[in-house]
Amino acid sequence: EAGVVQSPRYKIIEKKQPVAFWCNPISGHNTLYWYRQNLGQGPELLIRYENEEAVDDSQLPKDRFSAERLKGVDSTLKIQPAELGDSAVYLCASCKSSNNEQFFGPGTRLTVL
Amino acid sequence: KQEVTQIPAALSVPEGENLVLNCSFTDSAIYNLQWFRQDPGKGLTSLLLIQSSQREQTSGRLNASLDKSSGRSTLYIAASQPGDSATYLCAVQTGANNLFFGTGTRLTVIP
Repeated sequence: EAGVVQSPRYKIIEKKQPVAFWCNPISGHNTLYWYRQNLGQGPELLIRYENEEAVDDSQLPKDRFSAERLKGVDSTLKIQPAELGDSAVYLCASCKSSNNEQFFGPGTRLTVL
Repeated sequence: KQEVTQIPAALSVPEGENLVLNCSFTDSAIYNLQWFRQDPGKGLTSLLLIQSSQREQTSGRLNASLDKSSGRSTLYIAASQPGDSATYLCAVQTGANNLFFGTGTRLTVIP
């Protein structure tokens, strides 16, 4: 069974540029999460989807971040425009339903210059 | 807001030694607790999940315990190996169905 797939694995951009990350969760997993992990820290939740509905986006900086999961399967996280402080690893996770074990993808390491 | 603390931040042990990693959380109203492993530049690998009604879980050389009332969990690694070197993260899931992570313990097992 394939795990959570994320792309790209690495991205280097200049500040003020846009960037997008893609995630394909494990087949059959209805719940999808986007986390941000700063260096030396644990991941912090950005947004949680139940199927195609964003049920918790309270930690998402909505002035520059957006996300979508149009068909309730794969998801895209976008930053526009990127700032230096956005440099981090962006992790996607999925689980069958809330309160179940979460499975993480390899992450996208973003560097903003 | 739930806060998760992991002690120690870093640990170095000789191969073969048994070791314990500690995790504490401020709000005991949790659904479950999960231990993850993270290798440098990689994503997170789930090691053990303990439901709030459980006291411990075991997988191979790993044993995780949970004392919800005191807000503590431990991860016990028996007979450590160099391949166990990684960062170990503890996370608790709350009623809002979100995971709160600690900052991790960076483990180095010396051959």
